[in-house]
Amino acid sequence: AQSVAQPEDQVNVAEGNPLTVKCTYSVSGNPYLFWYVQYPNRGLQFLLKYITGDNLVKGSYGFEAEFNKSQTSFHLKKPSALVSDSALYFCAVRDLYSSASKIIFGSGTRLSIRP
Amino acid sequence: SQTIHQWPATLVQPVGSPLSLECTVEGTSNPNLYWYRQAAGRGLQLLFYSVGIGQISSEVPQNLSASRPQDRQFILSSKKLLLSDSGFYLCALAERTDTQYFGPGTRLTVL
Repeated sequence: AQSVAQPEDQVNVAEGNPLTVKCTYSVSGNPYLFWYVQYPNRGLQFLLKYITGDNLVKGSYGFEAEFNKSQTSFHLKKPSALVSDSALYFCAVRDLYSSASKIIFGSGTRLSIRP
Repeated sequence: SQTIHQWPATLVQPVGSPLSLECTVEGTSNPNLYWYRQAAGRGLQLLFYSVGIGQISSEVPQNLSASRPQDRQFILSSKKLLLSDSGFYLCALAERTDTQYFGPGTRLTVL
């Protein structure tokens, strides 16, 4: 079965420090991977995706993610955290058995950046 | 670029009352459309999706139904709300790129 796992419910980082939000995946075949961010009482915003090519994917708001096939991971990173990065982050994988572009979401990681 | 509207933004309804949530999209044609529910500000549950007018697929059996009367309109309904229907309802669309884009959401509280 296809799935993504976000092993950390919460990540706390000081402003200005680098941040990493972890995601691992399990798919049979080549994965399509996504990161989304959700601010309180808002819909999800698309940050970035990996389909093929460069293992380092750059996205919105200075975020990037590294695809690692051997470790089946797709961790989200940012070199210098901002207080405004505090939000709920979701990793997701395309359901390869669906013809309707269905996405399987992780359980989410709450990122808290302290001033 | 595409835009997703959801109406209303918030809703408080008594148990047993009917429900109708609307999602309309602009700037796209023949998208796939999705309804999700998010409980307690955490995980997302896919409720329904549609690949075209009148075509609805249900992911979980429940008290809700969906309809797509027009290409850019997706409606979530219930005849009688339950307490467990409370949550944050999100509409999303996908085009050929597989990326899903989300609307602003509707906060439903059933009392």
